Amino acid sequence: QQQVKQSPQSLIVQKGGISIINCAYENTAFDYFPWYQQFPGKGPALLIAIRPDVSEKKEGRFTISFNKSAKQFSLHIMDSQPGDSATYFCAANPAGGTSYGKLTFGQGTILTVHP
Amino acid sequence: EPEVTQTPSHQVTQMGQEVILRCVPISNHLYFYWYRQILGQKVEFLVSFYNNEISEKSEIFDDQFSVERPDGSNFTLKIRSTKLEDSAMYFCASLLYNEQFFGPGTRLTVL
Repeated sequence: QQQVKQSPQSLIVQKGGISIINCAYENTAFDYFPWYQQFPGKGPALLIAIRPDVSEKKEGRFTISFNKSAKQFSLHIMDSQPGDSATYFCAANPAGGTSYGKLTFGQGTILTVHP
Repeated sequence: EPEVTQTPSHQVTQMGQEVILRCVPISNHLYFYWYRQILGQKVEFLVSFYNNEISEKSEIFDDQFSVERPDGSNFTLKIRSTKLEDSAMYFCASLLYNEQFFGPGTRLTVL
């Protein structure tokens, strides 16, 4: 029940294309859903995050779509650039209590954007 | 811009030895975490720390692991007797208003 399932495992898109990464969760106590971007040899960097009271959040070229009833959320990268090539992780954590901030990560998606 | 820092960047140790991984969280953050990432795998939660005590720990965080905040700035993870399977990247993170920021990690290699 604690798992976050992420797909696809890897994704190749052309420059200017749209990259879409999907995640699904089971734990209804999850209340915060961030996406992290990780470059080789670096720590995960917070990209964008959403709470379940909204269905979509957009920041620049990055958009999270959230479907609470289906317990699914996705990251859309518009106008993908070679510099976006990285590993992307979805994550989720509960609202509070002793598990506050305890992130459960998806398996990661290796995105390659070809010039 | 404030950031989480970690030292060392790479630690090589012999099986059975003790290691201490160090972190300096962002100064006004109150919640601290350790995660690990085995090569090519997802990031896994180890332990959370608030108000000078452990809030929650995973099943990975057994008696060989301990955390400490010895002063107002440092946050350490100690592995008492390292095993080969402890080889991984270890990330420290700190949190404010739900936003969790990760350090660059320490690569631990156990030989």
